Amino acid sequence: QVQLVESGGGLVKPGGSLRLSCAASGLTFSDYYMSWIRQAPGKGLEWVSYIDSGGGEIYYADSVKGRFTISRDNAKNSLYLQMNGLRAEDTAVYYCVRGHHGLEVWGQGTTVTVSS
Amino acid sequence: EIVLTQSPGTLSLSPGERATLSCRASQSVSSNFLAWYQQKPGQAPRLLIYHAFNRPTGVPDRFSGSGSGTDFTLTISRLEPEDFAVYYCQQYATSRTFGQGTKVEVK
Repeated sequence: QVQLVESGGGLVKPGGSLRLSCAASGLTFSDYYMSWIRQAPGKGLEWVSYIDSGGGEIYYADSVKGRFTISRDNAKNSLYLQMNGLRAEDTAVYYCVRGHHGLEVWGQGTTVTVSS
Repeated sequence: EIVLTQSPGTLSLSPGERATLSCRASQSVSSNFLAWYQQKPGQAPRLLIYHAFNRPTGVPDRFSGSGSGTDFTLTISRLEPEDFAVYYCQQYATSRTFGQGTKVEVK
């Protein structure tokens, strides 16, 4: 059974940093593109970033470009999102997701709150 | 950026009825690179349809997708109680964008 478990969310002040992690199990992690999707409170979905299986192809939404960095460690079956220069509008639930076309498997999400 | 506009915003129907949800793109979605998701309160979204009309394993066949170009439709043939939720379309042809969602509520 495929499982994606996010961690690293929390409360941070504007301008601060957080690093989200996603631990994957039940799949050959190195075979798959992986994505981060976020959802602000009471709002819709926003694609944040994706990374290909080897880490060579990366996409960022314009809203996070230059501030967020996606990475992966296939040996550890883990996906990461380094978030710098956080803003109030980055407040959201962040989901780790398998896929980059149809998003096939979702984690339960981790909450990031940016507030002073 | 391709903007996806979903209509209606809210659909009020009874169990057993047919639901028709629309997703209109601001420009053509090449290769029918469009997906649909279902999200229930407090849960992560679930993939229902990819490549406009393909269903992943495990998705009931009462869910069907159709359309091409700029106009796409998700149809739920007969609403079950568990189908009342919010539905999002998403394109992956050019960059990545989601529609704003359609809520299917009990009438």
